[in-house]
Amino acid sequence: GDSVTQTEGLVTLTEGLPVMLNCTYQTIYSNPFLFWYVQHLNESPRLLLKSFTDNKRTEHQGFHATLHKSSSSFHLQKSSAQLSDSALYYCALITQVVGQLTFGRGTRLQVYA
Amino acid sequence: GALVYQYPRRTICKSGTSMRMECQAVGFQATSVAWYRQSPQKTFELIALSTVNSAIKYEQNFTQEKFPISHPNLSFSSMTVLNAYLEDRGLYLCGARGGAETLYFGSGTRLTVL
Repeated sequence: GDSVTQTEGLVTLTEGLPVMLNCTYQTIYSNPFLFWYVQHLNESPRLLLKSFTDNKRTEHQGFHATLHKSSSSFHLQKSSAQLSDSALYYCALITQVVGQLTFGRGTRLQVYA
Repeated sequence: GALVYQYPRRTICKSGTSMRMECQAVGFQATSVAWYRQSPQKTFELIALSTVNSAIKYEQNFTQEKFPISHPNLSFSSMTVLNAYLEDRGLYLCGARGGAETLYFGSGTRLTVL
């Protein structure tokens, strides 16, 4: 079945440094949709980015990601981390045929002053 | 825009009792609704996927007898946790999709079992 692998565990950064959270996926279907969700403490996940277009950069709230089907990747990046970026980040995949979202295990980002 | 309201936000129940949670889609037609559980230290476990005009599909380790789901129309879904025990505690999330691919989550129902 589908699977998503992302940077596991805790990533700690000093404010102002760039953010890079890795996400790779596996699916037998050729047209996957990839997502990044962000979950702050005691909140439900919120959609941050999505893409289904190969090699096209998508941006939102300072974050960006590019779906690369050749490497099955959808890494999340931001040029400069902010304290408010501290949260859990989930990479997720959906294929229309399967119809369900497959999540990675989540990456906790902690940004320090 | 598309919104999913989920309630209650949190609930406490005694061991062996049941509790029901509900989701309401606003601004779009929820052709499919997925129910997830996020347990401590775990990612999202898909409980079941309900698609209009199809049978509800439960994942391994989850059964209709334990987590009955209702999806009577394109804006509403409910799930009950029957006979809840400690291992059932966690954050339960409903995610609804319309015709597009994006899944919108409700605010979650945090279940505590005493």
